[in-house]
Amino acid sequence: KAGVTQTPRYLIKTRGQQVTLSCSPISGHRSVSWYQQTPGQGLQFLFEYFSETQRNKGNFPGRFSGRQFSNSRSEMNVSTLELGDSALYLCASSLNREVNGYTFGSGTRLTVV
Amino acid sequence: QKEVEQDPGPLSVPEGAIVSLNCTYSNSAFQYFMWYRQYSRKGPELLMYTYSSGNKEDGRFTAQVDKSSKYISLFIRDSQPSDSATYLCAMISNSGYALNFGKGTSLLVTP
Repeated sequence: KAGVTQTPRYLIKTRGQQVTLSCSPISGHRSVSWYQQTPGQGLQFLFEYFSETQRNKGNFPGRFSGRQFSNSRSEMNVSTLELGDSALYLCASSLNREVNGYTFGSGTRLTVV
Repeated sequence: QKEVEQDPGPLSVPEGAIVSLNCTYSNSAFQYFMWYRQYSRKGPELLMYTYSSGNKEDGRFTAQVDKSSKYISLFIRDSQPSDSATYLCAMISNSGYALNFGKGTSLLVTP
């Protein structure tokens, strides 16, 4: 059974550019959430989608956005990149959190130079 | 004050030792409690998942939740060098959509 797949694994971008990260959840999982992980702040919630609807958004600036497609795949976009956006971006999917919890992908490591 | 507090360690133990990892939290609405293991340059791997209070055992791992004290624990028996990783606690309320994570505890099991 395939896990949560995130692409690309690594990215290097320049300040001011924008970036799009992709997440394919486990088959059948309709909830997809995104987290930013940094050494200083740990894992911080970005947003959560269910059936193409954003149900919750974390405390991040509007430069961070996302969407979910009808096949549950999700993308997140960061515009006007800043040095502080350098982080590991993690995607998690869930079928039924009461039973299975959340399964994470390996993440996309974004470096902004 | 963060909603979830976790000692960052590092914690170093000899192979075969029993390891105790802990988190405290302040939000009484949290109902689902998870422990994740994260190796360097990998995503978090779900180890244990508990609803409300009580104990749960899976192989060498035991998770405990004490909601009255707002305290959760993960015990690892017969620890192995392959258990060396960062352990993250996470929790979420019934109505919430965002996992709240501790900062993680770095564990090193030495042969």
